[in-house]
Amino acid sequence: AQKITQTQPGMFVQEKEAVTLDCTYDTSDPSYGLFWYKQPSSGEMIFLIYQGSYDQQNATEGRYSLNFQKARKSANLVISASQLGDSAMYFCAMRETEAGGTSYGKLTFGQGTILTVHP
Amino acid sequence: DGGITQSPKYLFRKEGQNVTLSCEQNLNHDAMYWYRQDPGQGLRLIYYSQIVNDFQKGDIAEGYSVSREKKESFPLTVTSAQKNPTAFYLCASSMNSWGGELFFGEGSRLTVL
Repeated sequence: AQKITQTQPGMFVQEKEAVTLDCTYDTSDPSYGLFWYKQPSSGEMIFLIYQGSYDQQNATEGRYSLNFQKARKSANLVISASQLGDSAMYFCAMRETEAGGTSYGKLTFGQGTILTVHP
Repeated sequence: DGGITQSPKYLFRKEGQNVTLSCEQNLNHDAMYWYRQDPGQGLRLIYYSQIVNDFQKGDIAEGYSVSREKKESFPLTVTSAQKNPTAFYLCASSMNSWGGELFFGEGSRLTVL
């Protein structure tokens, strides 16, 4: 079973509008972390935002916010006031805690969503 | 500036040849990782290392080897045993093995001719 599912292969948004990128996850671990990364056409991976499974509030970082719905196991990324430079591939990722209580830091990634911002 | 440096950025090799991708970080991070990305796909973990002289296989380790002799360096060798080596390879590091985001290098694109 997929641990991270991004169901939108591609999304289009008009400049200055908001857009939501979907992410659902599957884990039985009570302690986990969720990440969003942006990958422009240059290939580098840029960290955007993080949400811990025990965090009570939804994470926000500037124009990025994470709509965390724990019971539904979803962690959607909301980008407000889209800019042309937001056009990129976006990945949702999860870090789980391994048996024994350590996480080893490794992330499992979804397939990604390509976002295109139109002027 | 602190960061992760991968080299080479582009690499071509003939079938049957081993090739080593370099990854160096000056962030003083303990943990380092290698991921593979195929076109239009997410990242898959090849190997990871929590500390010097220790590393573990990820989800797709077959046909790859690594070493971690220094904290700053985590080279990846793509061996001739790797059946589909053409891909984009990303190296990453994190402060430690239990928290914090991963910082990525700019990637190495390997093409097998």
